[in-house]
Amino acid sequence: DSGVTQTPKHLITATGQRVTLRCSPRSGDLSVYWYQQSLDQGLQFLIQYYNGEERAKGNILERFSAQQFPDLHSELNLSSLELGDSALYFCASSSSGLAEETQYFGPGTRLLVL
Amino acid sequence: GNSVTQMEGPVTLSEEAFLTINCTYTATGYPSLFWYVQYPGEGLQLLLKATKADDKGSNKGFEATYRKETTSFHLEKGSVQVSDSAVYFCALRYNTDKLIFGTGTRLQVFP
Repeated sequence: DSGVTQTPKHLITATGQRVTLRCSPRSGDLSVYWYQQSLDQGLQFLIQYYNGEERAKGNILERFSAQQFPDLHSELNLSSLELGDSALYFCASSSSGLAEETQYFGPGTRLLVL
Repeated sequence: GNSVTQMEGPVTLSEEAFLTINCTYTATGYPSLFWYVQYPGEGLQLLLKATKADDKGSNKGFEATYRKETTSFHLEKGSVQVSDSAVYFCALRYNTDKLIFGTGTRLQVFP
């Protein structure tokens, strides 16, 4: 158990809908990262937050957004969903976001868009 | 830009065989290097890491050495077990930039 929790574990929805994925980092970790894992794109970094502020952005679509709240939990919002958004979404956390730090991954949220 | 290249899988071995999974990287400067493992139905777990040239990361019998001259971080284990069957990801991180993953290598170990 990494100490990172994600909810829900599974999500099935329809095209055009909007969903919210939630992540709670390990106790004491200030940095949260979101990744998408799909068969065709592999594992890709989406976005990073550090202590409530956006720190780095990867291949995140404009239809997707995220935020980190004062209690450090984070939410990833996916809107106008398309079939191609079906994937496993991981959240990870680390204590301060330095390059050599270990990122601890949650179990993921599996999203299926029908 | 920064990138990671891993050998294609699946790698199929018998129990107690020697394992090597190749990983090479392209990066500006000196990144930190990681191996993550993903067991079926689970998230990624850090297996080992190395933060500077010639460092050797090791854990659970797995080892990898950060080779700057060959820009490689190959994963090795002397004697694999059925329980090692998983997908292995090589990754790098430079400064405070994102983790960049390779495509993953599936390892299947048979008794």
